[in-house]
Amino acid sequence: EPEVTQTPSHQVTQMGQEVILRCVPISNHLYFYWYRQILGQKVEFLVSFYNNEISEKSEIFDDQFSVERPDGSNFTLKIRSTKLEDSAMYFCASSEWGRDEQYFGPGTRLTVT
Amino acid sequence: DAKTTQPPSMDCAEGRAANLPCNHSTISGNEYVYWYRQIHSQGPQYIIHGLKNNETNEMASLIITEDRKSSTLILPHATLRDTAVYYCIVRGNDYKLSFGAGTTVTVRA
Repeated sequence: EPEVTQTPSHQVTQMGQEVILRCVPISNHLYFYWYRQILGQKVEFLVSFYNNEISEKSEIFDDQFSVERPDGSNFTLKIRSTKLEDSAMYFCASSEWGRDEQYFGPGTRLTVT
Repeated sequence: DAKTTQPPSMDCAEGRAANLPCNHSTISGNEYVYWYRQIHSQGPQYIIHGLKNNETNEMASLIITEDRKSSTLILPHATLRDTAVYYCIVRGNDYKLSFGAGTTVTVRA
């Protein structure tokens, strides 16, 4: 069964450093998403992406964040200058169409020290 | 999107049906009810969704009341692996899924 994959599974970085989290969505899916979950808190939507454009973003997704689909398979989330409060699990998801069910990857645990 | 209300936790015996309630009294006509679950900090897993009619798939059944103000997710034969946080989400035209606190379901042997 096709699945969303994410790398790395765990990323440790120092405050102020740039990080790139990578995702490979399900191959025939057209819509891509990033969510995050701070330890012990709710899963929060960050951004949705379609046709090389952001289709929706939350207040969390400020200028420090960016997304890109650099090739036909990868979908990335970049955080330019990490802060301690960016420490969280980051989940990538994809769906065939915009309002279909979304399938999530296993997540990347980001720890900012 | 309409707000949902779920009990914070519930226990279930292994092998028995688990019935998970969700209230969504402010749901509007074009909003779907989605159910996801999250097993111990893994990525959320899609279970089922519906608009008006009851739905069934290999994982679960979804019963939506006629007025659509509440729904019940049924896991027909709960196993220990069904222990998870279950989220009921009402979704309209947004792309995003808005997760609440969900119901922590513990299946006991």
